[in-house]
Amino acid sequence: GAGVSQSPRYKVAKRGQDVALRCDPISGHVSLFWYQQALGQGPEFLTYFQNEAQLDKSGLPSDRFFAERPEGSVSTLKIQRTQQEDSAVYLCASTPGLINQPQHFGDGTRLSIL
Amino acid sequence: QKEVEQNSGPLSVPEGAIASLNCTYSDRGSQSFFWYRQYSGKSPELIMFIYSNGDKEDGRFTAQLNKASQYVSLLIRDSQPSDSATYLCAVGDTGGFKTIFGAGTRLFVKA
Repeated sequence: GAGVSQSPRYKVAKRGQDVALRCDPISGHVSLFWYQQALGQGPEFLTYFQNEAQLDKSGLPSDRFFAERPEGSVSTLKIQRTQQEDSAVYLCASTPGLINQPQHFGDGTRLSIL
Repeated sequence: QKEVEQNSGPLSVPEGAIASLNCTYSDRGSQSFFWYRQYSGKSPELIMFIYSNGDKEDGRFTAQLNKASQYVSLLIRDSQPSDSATYLCAVGDTGGFKTIFGAGTRLFVKA
């Protein structure tokens, strides 16, 4: 596609439910990043994929958060047993090569936990 | 904890003036530096990137990097009301694969 695509754009879930957020990066982009952005803050790194390999997951807040990119293209961020503090915008970004390149961001998924 | 610090603002400048946005970072080994613009409710979009000490100009935008002082700045010349947004400074982490973002500076350009 022309840009990074994320779905859904908005997600409302009840506390304790599981959610799955999808990211479709720019075709051919090797690197994929997930970020969490709270209101009034900058994006916080969650995890990084190089093709299908998850090389850095140091930013995942807890073991309730899980990400995968099984075929090196589309990625899914899953949050189990959601909590209110998980409410945020989740951004996905991709780059054509390896790290330290400018990132192309998707429009994000705004997650609200009730 | 590696950090990227920005003045949260808001920074208010009149239309046509120069807006100066500043950022400091803690990771002395960082080699890549980015400025992103984020409109309210939208995702970040790249404005400038810089890898070497000195100035880099692109249209009305100039990025300045001083690695010795661990300081990077963005100048916006001839500011327009459409420049009103939050500007995020981002720095590549030498210890891993992440990019570390500052909290952003809100800029208001008054018509």
